[in-house]
Amino acid sequence: GENVEQHPSTLSVQEGDSAVIKCTYSDSASNYFPWYKQELGKRPQLIIDIRSNVGEKKDQRIAVTLNKTAKHFSLHITETQPEDSAVYFCAASSGSARQLTFGSGTQLTVLP
Amino acid sequence: GAGVSQSPSNKVTEKGKDVELRCDPISGHTALYWYRQSLGQGLEFLIYFQGNSAPDKSGLPSDRFSAERTGGSVSTLTIQRTQQEDSAVYLCASSFESNQPQHFGDGTRLSIL
Repeated sequence: GENVEQHPSTLSVQEGDSAVIKCTYSDSASNYFPWYKQELGKRPQLIIDIRSNVGEKKDQRIAVTLNKTAKHFSLHITETQPEDSAVYFCAASSGSARQLTFGSGTQLTVLP
Repeated sequence: GAGVSQSPSNKVTEKGKDVELRCDPISGHTALYWYRQSLGQGLEFLIYFQGNSAPDKSGLPSDRFSAERTGGSVSTLTIQRTQQEDSAVYLCASSFESNQPQHFGDGTRLSIL
């Protein structure tokens, strides 16, 4: 089955700096890659996603890049703000159910 | 409702008891997923429903776990003879179709004493 690895597990940045989180996946049949933000005690919220026919997607301060050949994708957050502090999960959609296989999460802390 | 609704939000029960968790997906969403999130961990796929098709149960950890979806809408996840390792947050997600963006509910925090 699919295996998704995510790093770093923790990331601290100064407010205004950029943050990058990286994920690799194993199943070349995976074709949909969402990113979720989860604040403590809250539901995971979809913040951006990308499909395998696209190399990059941007939404305001958030961007995602995908390298299908290398089977890795990354989340980029620019001009970070304290409210960006949360756990971020990457995922890959695979299998007959197109279920999501999640990475282990990155705890992002934006220091004021 | 506007989003995925789950109940109860919290459930505390004794080891060996059965529990039933409920998920009400977004109206019109044909795909429904159950995931489990243990403390400080990522999400683990449990089961998937798509329309009237047979569910994909490949993620269920043991035969103590079962789920059904009645009328293509509300789903219930049942855990029989609960064990302490079943303690986790159980999250439900729905999407318009499979391989479309999945939207999560707030989850049920299950604690087995």
